[in-house]
Amino acid sequence: DTEVTQTPKHLVMGMTNKKSLKCEQHMGHRAMYWYKQKAKKPPELMFVYSYEKLSINESVPSRFSPECPNSSLLNLHLHALQPEDSALYLCASSQDQRTGRGYGYTFGSGTRLTVV
Amino acid sequence: QKEVEQDPGPLSVPEGAIVSLNCTYSNSAFQYFMWYRQYSRKGPELLMYTYSSGNKEDGRFTAQVDKSSKYISLFIRDSQPSDSATYLCAMSDRDDKIIFGKGTRLHILP
Repeated sequence: DTEVTQTPKHLVMGMTNKKSLKCEQHMGHRAMYWYKQKAKKPPELMFVYSYEKLSINESVPSRFSPECPNSSLLNLHLHALQPEDSALYLCASSQDQRTGRGYGYTFGSGTRLTVV
Repeated sequence: QKEVEQDPGPLSVPEGAIVSLNCTYSNSAFQYFMWYRQYSRKGPELLMYTYSSGNKEDGRFTAQVDKSSKYISLFIRDSQPSDSATYLCAMSDRDDKIIFGKGTRLHILP
């Protein structure tokens, strides 16, 4: 299995809703990432988990809450979002971060989020 | 000066031509260099991964890194319409936080 699977593929939510994005990989990668991508822009890093612990938070607003239940799963909990949070949310994983031998990231296809 | 500079294009070339894409960077600590291809409404797909300087070839794709000039390139030989996508360069000094270029939109004309 060489994939990162993200669900759902599309999500429309109101500003008062609570929803979660899910990401799963079975490649044995120990680093997992959340990125946000706006149209015609490069991906922007949000969070990094290394060995199931949060290692980087790029000053993301608290309405985004990441969770890493185990080494294969990564969630992003969403609450009280704003319309400007509408974007493609990408999950990625990479190999052993501690040795620096990440061999690049494997990205999922993303969840296209629309906040109304 | 931005850490990674990449011309956003669009770049249009005829089918069969050699495509040259490039990025410059300012951080001399970068040692991991990547090229990703992204189709519309899809996640980025890793094409090439290079550690430090040198060339790497994979099929029709060749990646070059010149650390002395802080310049990386991706060459696509015998370009096909299916190569039409956005190409993102990315680089890192420690492999846990990669910096992306803006991406170059490439159109291969049949």
